[in-house]
Amino acid sequence: DTEVTQTPKHLVMGMTNKKSLKCEQHMGHRAMYWYKQKAKKPPELMFVYSYEKLSINESVPSRFSPECPNSSLLNLHLHALQPEDSALYLCASSQGEEYNEQFFGPGTRLTVL
Amino acid sequence: GQNIDQPTEMTATEGAIVQINCTYQTSGFNGLFWYQQHAGEAPTFLSYNVLDGLEEKGRFSSFLSRSKGYSYLLLKELQMKDSASYLCAVLDSNYQLIWGAGTKLIIKP
Repeated sequence: DTEVTQTPKHLVMGMTNKKSLKCEQHMGHRAMYWYKQKAKKPPELMFVYSYEKLSINESVPSRFSPECPNSSLLNLHLHALQPEDSALYLCASSQGEEYNEQFFGPGTRLTVL
Repeated sequence: GQNIDQPTEMTATEGAIVQINCTYQTSGFNGLFWYQQHAGEAPTFLSYNVLDGLEEKGRFSSFLSRSKGYSYLLLKELQMKDSASYLCAVLDSNYQLIWGAGTKLIIKP
């Protein structure tokens, strides 16, 4: 299994909703990442988990809350988002943080109304 | 600061060759990646260079010169499906991936 899966593929939510994005990989990778990507821009790193511990938090607002229940799963909990948070949210994984060939999931297209 | 420059857009003809350049200034260097991204899809890995020289992989090749802070991605025998954005990314001294803005490649018949 050499892929990263993400659910849902599309999500539309209101500003008062609470939702979660899910990411899963079964490649034995020990580092997992959340990125946010706006149209025609490169991915922006949000969070990095290494060995199930949060190692990097790139000054992301608290309305985004990551969780790593185990080495294969990564969640991103969303609460009280703003319309400007609408973007493609990408999950990626790599063997470790030091060799950073990252495998990306297909992304979740999020729209905040 | 950290900076990665690549052209915003390039156009090439089906069957031809195109070279996409990337220059970088980063705090440390632990390798350079090229990713391909089709519109609305996730990036997919193309190549990784950490030593100077040319790495060839089928129709795609990637070159690195660390002393010049320069890389290029060479695409041969262009196909319509090669129309995509090509992202250059550098692994810095903290092993963080610093991304360029991407080059949109348009292939014409």
